[in-house]
Amino acid sequence: AQSVTQLGSHVSVSEGALVLLRCNYSSSVPPYLFWYVQYPNQGLQLLLKYTTGATLVKGINGFEAEFKKSETSFHLTKPSAHMSDAAEYFCAVSGDTGTASKLTFGTGTRLQVTL
Amino acid sequence: DTAVSQTPKYLVTQMGNDKSIKCEQNLGHDTMYWYKQDSKKFLKIMFSYNNKELIINETVPNRFSPKSPDKAHLNLHINSLELGDSAVYFCASSQSAGTSGGRQYFGPGTRLTVT
Repeated sequence: AQSVTQLGSHVSVSEGALVLLRCNYSSSVPPYLFWYVQYPNQGLQLLLKYTTGATLVKGINGFEAEFKKSETSFHLTKPSAHMSDAAEYFCAVSGDTGTASKLTFGTGTRLQVTL
Repeated sequence: DTAVSQTPKYLVTQMGNDKSIKCEQNLGHDTMYWYKQDSKKFLKIMFSYNNKELIINETVPNRFSPKSPDKAHLNLHINSLELGDSAVYFCASSQSAGTSGGRQYFGPGTRLTVT
């Protein structure tokens, strides 16, 4: 069984400030980990993913995340927030079942960016 | 070109009606999914098909019936609609697990409102 916990349903930062969105996971198999972003009234767009290899993963729009197995975490960061980063962010874990990758999502974190 | 498309984008209907949502992907993927996002933004997988074969079937009322005429299409038919079915339904696709690290590509969503 797999699960994802996102701490903080709502995070507010000032423009130019550090963005930190927290994600902890539980998985009985080596996980694949993802961060997706959802802008208002739109579908989900992949920000970045971790499968194997380097634990620091860089994604689009200046975001990055670090896989820490000992902490079962995959926190998302961005050094400097921009107004356009305001959106809903979802962390997800996948454990391949052979032919289908079942994604289990966290409850999401809404990022608000203020002037 | 739209990678994963869904029709309709909005669907408003009355309780008790039967409705269908269509999904098509032009990515050449062999696995497709349906997710439901509720009013609190929580995303949960409903079904997954691989090469027209049902792979994942979560605890979903049997009023929901997916149909995959070919590997590029996965439609969702809902019988006897209830108020609780109101949600945004997302279609997604991926390559078979192990070849893409589980990345799924999402459609824009269909907002279903049952009155």
